[in-house]
Amino acid sequence: DGGITQSPKYLFRKEGQNVTLSCEQNLNHDAMYWYRQDPGQGLRLIYYSQIVNDFQKGDIAEGYSVSREKKESFPLTVTSAQKNPTAFYLCASSTTDRGYEQYFGPGTRLTVT
Amino acid sequence: QKEVEQDPGPLSVPEGAIVSLNCTYSNSAFQYFMWYRQYSRKGPELLMYTYSSGNKEDGRFTAQVDKSSKYISLFIRDSQPSDSATYLCAMSFLFSGGYNKLIFGAGTRLAVHP
Repeated sequence: DGGITQSPKYLFRKEGQNVTLSCEQNLNHDAMYWYRQDPGQGLRLIYYSQIVNDFQKGDIAEGYSVSREKKESFPLTVTSAQKNPTAFYLCASSTTDRGYEQYFGPGTRLTVT
Repeated sequence: QKEVEQDPGPLSVPEGAIVSLNCTYSNSAFQYFMWYRQYSRKGPELLMYTYSSGNKEDGRFTAQVDKSSKYISLFIRDSQPSDSATYLCAMSFLFSGGYNKLIFGAGTRLAVHP
């Protein structure tokens, strides 16, 4: 059963702590993406990766970091430098030749207090 | 001005109604036009995509793109309570390095009541 999994579903952290969100896919997709969703706003791109060991900053990369050591996995770390980290985080994947056809995971809701 | 504008709603309709959801955009470089459905606290689900202008039909859903007016629509026929969700439009263009960059609308909340 192919798909994208994100864990955990809900995450609570204290201000000043780094936190890592997990994203795994078994769709054999080369490209993976991280988005952030805030109420009343469209999804905004944080980072994307088109191939293992390579990734690029998106529109709002400040305060975030990623790694892509395996094709299936693209973890996102929200660092203490991110000024407003409370949000719904979505991971997506696609083939590289059909990057417009992105498939999303169920999301992780992060709350930082 | 945002690159993609979408009325947030909410839009409330009776079961069986025809629903029209719309987005406007400003970037003429957009090539692919997508519609996603997102249930509360879930990830978006790709409903359909269209390349360039024209119509595309899939069951009760029809996507329409008018590039001359920079306007896209999603029609839902015979709407059901299970269609109640937020509908996101998204548009893509080829960014540097051959990467398809997606720009999303803010989403329209739809409620279909029995």
